[in-house]
Amino acid sequence: QQQVKQSPQSLIVQKGGIPIINCAYENTAFDYFPWYQQFPGKGPALLIAIRPDVSEKKEGRFTISFNKSAKQFSLHIMDSQPGDSATYFCAASIGTYKYIFGTGTRLKVLA
Amino acid sequence: DAGVIQSPRHEVTEMGQEVTLRCKPISGHNSLFWYRQTMMRGLELLIYFNNNVPIDDSGMPEDRFSAKMPNASFSTLKIQPSEPRDSAVYFCASSKTAYGYTFGSGTRLTVV
Repeated sequence: QQQVKQSPQSLIVQKGGIPIINCAYENTAFDYFPWYQQFPGKGPALLIAIRPDVSEKKEGRFTISFNKSAKQFSLHIMDSQPGDSATYFCAASIGTYKYIFGTGTRLKVLA
Repeated sequence: DAGVIQSPRHEVTEMGQEVTLRCKPISGHNSLFWYRQTMMRGLELLIYFNNNVPIDDSGMPEDRFSAKMPNASFSTLKIQPSEPRDSAVYFCASSKTAYGYTFGSGTRLTVV
């Protein structure tokens, strides 16, 4: 019940495309859902986060959609660029420190 | 702000040797986390400190692993004795609140 399932494992899109990464969870006690972006040789960096009281959050070209009833949330990257090529992790926490991370999605944006 | 600083960046050691990884959190952050990242298991929380006190070490794999935080600006993760299965990237992260970690660049450990 503590797992966060992330898909797909990898994704290739053309420049300008809209990659979508999905995550699902079971534990309804989770109340914070961040997304992290990781470039090779670097640590994960917080990209955007959402709480379950809103259904969508946008920050620049990045959008989180949240479906509380389905226990799913997803990351959309608008007008994707080659510089967005990275590994993306979703996570969930229960109002404390302990993030449960998804397994990651390796995104490649072709020029 | 220099971010979370980890050292060394890379460590290669022989099986059975002691390994010490170091972390300097962001000044003013009161929570510190040690994570391990592998292809098979992804990102795993090893231990969490709050105000220099270990709060949850349930993720520490076994007694060979130990972590300390003697003050607000320094933490260590020690593996003794090291084994090949300990090979991974170890991340330190810090946070001012329960939300929004800042990760360091990690230490890539290889045990041969």
